[in-house]
Amino acid sequence: RKEVEQDPGPFNVPEGATVAFNCTYSNSASQSFFWYRQDCRKEPKLLMSVYSSGNEDGRFTAQLNRASQYISLLIRDSKLSDSATYLCVVNTGNQFYFGTGTSLTVIP
Amino acid sequence: DVKVTQSSRYLVKRTGEKVFLECVQDMDHENMFWYRQDPGLGLRLIYFSYDVKMKEKGDIPEGYSVSREKKERFSLILESASTNQTSMYLCASSLLPGQGWDTQYFGPGTRLTVL
Repeated sequence: RKEVEQDPGPFNVPEGATVAFNCTYSNSASQSFFWYRQDCRKEPKLLMSVYSSGNEDGRFTAQLNRASQYISLLIRDSKLSDSATYLCVVNTGNQFYFGTGTSLTVIP
Repeated sequence: DVKVTQSSRYLVKRTGEKVFLECVQDMDHENMFWYRQDPGLGLRLIYFSYDVKMKEKGDIPEGYSVSREKKERFSLILESASTNQTSMYLCASSLLPGQGWDTQYFGPGTRLTVL
């Protein structure tokens, strides 16, 4: 079983739409959770950390559900510049485990 | 501004060649990582190091070795390159647990093609 699983998409949404990504992780001892964004042919960059209480950064909201072992990312009012691949990342011990990424294309 | 640099953005090598990929970070991070990224497979950990001269195997260490002689530098070595090692190689660094597990910082990647 993979450490981290996420729906690869692709998600194609119109500008202004709200879109949600989910991700599940297998190790209940995992300690930290993140969403990264990766643009085509570029390195992953941290979008936001995910805290137990949920956290928001502008149009982006991240949630963590430890009981069900999933994390989510909600993007409101999608912009063309949001088009990218979104990676779910889980830290367990001294390692980081990555999902395969969810592709988002925002259409004009 | 945090920075992780990798020695090459693009590299073309021949089967059987020995290949060195270098990574340098300027954040005084203890942890450094080497991943490869392939379509449909995501990022897979090759090796990581939590201190100078220390190394740990990741999920796919076969065909690779690493060297960490200085804290800021972590090298990935392909002893005898093969075509199935054609991939994007990403280096990352982070702090150790207890020092602020905030994030990994990535280098720009090296796209290696083995002919």
